[in-house]
Formats: sequence, C-alpha cells, structure tokens
Amino acid sequence: DTEVTQTPKHLVMGMTNKKSLKCEQHMGHRAMYWYKQKAKKPPELMFVYSYEKLSINESVPSRFSPECPNSSLLNLHLHALQPEDSALYLCASSRRSADGNTIYFGEGSWLTVV
Amino acid sequence: QQPVQSPQAVILREGEDAVINCSSSKALYSVHWYRQKHGEAPVFLMILLKGGEQKGHDKISASFNEKKQQSSLYLTASQLSYSGTYFCGTEILDQGGKLIFGQGTELSVKP
Repeated sequence: DTEVTQTPKHLVMGMTNKKSLKCEQHMGHRAMYWYKQKAKKPPELMFVYSYEKLSINESVPSRFSPECPNSSLLNLHLHALQPEDSALYLCASSRRSADGNTIYFGEGSWLTVV
Repeated sequence: QQPVQSPQAVILREGEDAVINCSSSKALYSVHWYRQKHGEAPVFLMILLKGGEQKGHDKISASFNEKKQQSSLYLTASQLSYSGTYFCGTEILDQGGKLIFGQGTELSVKP
C-alpha cells in the first residue's frame, strides 16, 4: 500500500479566511513533504518534516504554517492567502532505504483563493 | 539547483520510441522519474542511485551515467496511456531529502 491521503480535494477560501489542508499516511514513513504546483509547472518544494521535526523550509511565506502532530499526519495551515497562492498542494511521504528515498505523492488539494 | 530536462515536449504515434533527458551541473545522490497526467498527482516510475545503473519495467526504462549528472528515460513502443508530463527529480547528498524537479517534458501519444 503506497497511499497518501489528502483532504479536502478542493478548497475555495477568501483572503481573510483561515483553513487547513490535511495529509495522512500509514506506511510508517518518517519523512513528509508539502509541495506546491502551479499549472504547467513542476512541483515546488515548500517544507520537509523528518521524524516529526521541520527539517527544510524553502523560504515559504508565514501565511503558510505547517504542522506535524504525529508520524502519520501532516497539516498545512493557511491564513491571509493571496490569489496567487491558488495552486495544487501536494503532500508526499518517504522512507529512506538501500533502494533510495522513494517519495510517494497524495492526490493533492486544489486551492482557489478568491 | 533545478535539473534541466529536454525536450520540453514530444509528440509520438503509438508504437514509436522516445527519450527524455535530465541533467545536473552537480553530481547527484539519486534521480527520480515521475509521470503526471492532467489533473492528477505525480506517479512514481523509478529511482536510480548508482552511476552506470540501468533499470526499468515493461517498456519504460532509465539510465544514470557514471558521473551521476545525467539520466535518461526511455519509452519504447509507446502506448496511448504513456501520455502525460514526465518529471525528473534530483537529490543531492546532504540535503536531507530535498527533491527538486526539472521543468517537465510533455509527452503526447497519438493513435
């Protein structure tokens, strides 16, 4: 089972709203990621959590706030977003082994900021 | 540093072959290949770790050169289902799982 589950699949929010994206995996992976993808562009790394600790923050604006409550869950809290933040937000997880650090993506959450 | 992918787009007829290249200015820890269909998440195809490695399944295979700076994805006898955007993702050692994607190659297979 290589499933990463993201909710909600679609979200429309106003610029003053506070919302959260959620991600869950039960593969025992200890690294989890948030990527942002705009149309016709590659996924762009936002955050990496390793063993529930934030290990990489790619200079993401503070209106995006990640949280890793436990080894299976990853949240992305959204507040005071801008219309240009509209994108597909992808969660992923991985476990490093002798075969490499295979990263599995969830289906994504489509975010529209109005 | 973002890897460079080429070509940007390919149009094939069913049964034709294609090669997609991915190169980096630095030696890599690993290279990952993904396919993404419109409106869907990227799907993992394969990962290469060792210089000189070649691996594959079905009619899709990939290679990693000895210097670990270039990888190629080979699609042979293409099928309609191969259509999508192909991304290479690269990892550099000591960057803690940071996977950076190339710009992507849009592949269209026509009947």
